[in-house]
Amino acid sequence: GQQLNQSPQSMFIQEGEDVSMNCTSSSIFNTWLWYKQDPGEGPVLLIALYKAGELTSNGRLTAQFGITRKDSFLNISASIPSDVGIYFCAGPPYGGATNKLIFGTGTLLAVQP
Amino acid sequence: NAGVMQNPRHLVRRRGQEARLRCSPMKGHSHVYWYRQLPEEGLKFMVYLQKENIIDESGMPKERFSAEFPKEGPSILRIQQVVRGDSAAYFCASSPLHSGLNNEQFFGPGTRLTVL
Repeated sequence: GQQLNQSPQSMFIQEGEDVSMNCTSSSIFNTWLWYKQDPGEGPVLLIALYKAGELTSNGRLTAQFGITRKDSFLNISASIPSDVGIYFCAGPPYGGATNKLIFGTGTLLAVQP
Repeated sequence: NAGVMQNPRHLVRRRGQEARLRCSPMKGHSHVYWYRQLPEEGLKFMVYLQKENIIDESGMPKERFSAEFPKEGPSILRIQQVVRGDSAAYFCASSPLHSGLNNEQFFGPGTRLTVL
């Protein structure tokens, strides 16, 4: 089945640094969603991407839908302690009949004040 | 709170008991999805339901697991005769549309099931 691989697996940074993480797939996705999950909570949708090449921002977050439709990246600028959490990419399988989401392996972000 | 609601937040069961997890979608949403998350893993799709219909249950284990979304009331994920391997966080998500560009799903806080 389709899989989403995220890198890096974890990141430990200082407050104020910029962060970049990416998500790759062996097959095409038509939609990329980026979620953040805090400990003990459900994923919260950060950014949704629908077109190849699309670049979308949400505050300090910027995400892009790769031209090949097999990857996406998420950037966080000027990180702050509350950015700590696990970031997941997700998308519905291409050609699927339903909207079930496949989730990536996650990137754990730790921010030191 | 207009978000997706799940209860209970924590559920402890002994092996062989039944677990019932409830999910109320966001107001105006008629599509519900259930996902399971094992420790330190991503979420895995289980089942997709609309009111009174199971649309996609390709991620559901063949035995002991069932789901429903009745005309009135919340969606229920039911696990019969629980085993230790069922211990996980179970998340419900809802969306307003089935097809088209909007695949965005909004998640509840989850139910953490522990099987003793």
